[in-house]
Amino acid sequence: GAVVSQHPSWVICKSGTSVKIECRSLDFQATTMFWYRQFPKQSLMLMATSNEGSKATYEQGVEKDKFLINHASLTLSTLTVTSAHPEDSSFYICSAAAGANTEAFFGQGTRLTVV
Amino acid sequence: AQSVTQLGSHVSVSEGALVLLRCNYSSSVPPYLFWYVQYPNQGLQLLLKYTTGATLVKGINGFEAEFKKSETSFHLTKPSAHMSDAAEYFCAVSEGKGTYKYIFGTGTRLKVLA
Repeated sequence: GAVVSQHPSWVICKSGTSVKIECRSLDFQATTMFWYRQFPKQSLMLMATSNEGSKATYEQGVEKDKFLINHASLTLSTLTVTSAHPEDSSFYICSAAAGANTEAFFGQGTRLTVV
Repeated sequence: AQSVTQLGSHVSVSEGALVLLRCNYSSSVPPYLFWYVQYPNQGLQLLLKYTTGATLVKGINGFEAEFKKSETSFHLTKPSAHMSDAAEYFCAVSEGKGTYKYIFGTGTRLKVLA
């Protein structure tokens, strides 16, 4: 299957700072990318959908000003957690898709710890 | 709206025994259905998927699942559990081709006993 890479795999940041997570489709052009959040021992919850060149669509209850999503090219989407707080600590996973596929492809996830 | 229900947040089986992880879904359109496995602090690995066609689908590592429309189910099975199967398993649904927004079940943690 296609390869989606997330960077970094893990990050620790201080409370109040911002952190950027990258999601790249390595061998295909992704028209759509998705960002999920997973709390410990819980399921994945969709945060937002991003389409290349347009604004992201956020799920209900997700603060768009806190979780900034940019999808500037067909192979890269970024999620920036602004003014991070300990409650933002979580596992963030992206997925990427193109119209020719029957499935989305997932990155390996990013473990964010805010101290 | 779509939803996925995984019965049993924890399942324990003996090594060599049958694995059965349950998944029921609701969808107003013909769904695409997926099973993923997740090991600690790792991303998702696709085990198998149902899109169209044959309702019994075979995946990696000896897993298979059967799409039963009348029961709105997509249960995951493996005839003989191996210690390496211990992980978290997620069932997911999407609204079919061209839609990649997944709704995930709450997950089932599989424990394999020696």
